[in-house]
Amino acid sequence: SQTIHQWPATLVQPVGSPLSLECTVEGTSNPNLYWYRQAAGRGLQLLFYSVGIGQISSEVPQNLSASRPQDRQFILSSKKLLLSDSGFYLCAWDSYTGELFFGEGSRLTVL
Amino acid sequence: LAKTTQPISMDSYEGQEVNITCSHNNIATNDYITWYQQFPSQGPRFIIQGYKTKVTNEVASLFIPADRKSSTLSLPRVSLSDTAVYYCLVGDFNAGNNRKLIWGLGTSLAVNP
Repeated sequence: SQTIHQWPATLVQPVGSPLSLECTVEGTSNPNLYWYRQAAGRGLQLLFYSVGIGQISSEVPQNLSASRPQDRQFILSSKKLLLSDSGFYLCAWDSYTGELFFGEGSRLTVL
Repeated sequence: LAKTTQPISMDSYEGQEVNITCSHNNIATNDYITWYQQFPSQGPRFIIQGYKTKVTNEVASLFIPADRKSSTLSLPRVSLSDTAVYYCLVGDFNAGNNRKLIWGLGTSLAVNP
């Protein structure tokens, strides 16, 4: 069966510090991968999605970046965090079936 | 680009049927409609998906009229554990790099005893 994991689950970082959130998918190959952000517990904002290794589409201009170094690995990064980067980050995958599978989420607090 | 609109919140009581409607006036020919459930501090979970008419599974039904400009998620006999946020998602999952998945802002359902 397919599983998705993302970490860390909780992160508290000072403004200006770097960020790295990781997501891995098991049990499937060539998944479509997504990073979403959810602020204030409502609304899913798509940040990045990827249909293959090295193929990243950015939906929102910001100080975040994403990379897909391996087929089932998706990384969200920032060189310098802003207060506005605080939120609940969700990784997800699908295989063109129309069903998105989400990870457990990573809660980021920038102080 | 399809924009989705759904009520911000709804209240219900245990044992009642709950219907949540999502409007998507500009839905494209290849778009499907999918509903998700989200509990606090968890990722959304798939409930049901449809293209037109009616779809039913073990937890919900989805009603889509012929013009597909709206859809209604129906939860039969809700319980306290159905208290959650429900999202409507419209999009074409087969569009590859050009896919646009449009999420509603979510409907917060509160089920009361």
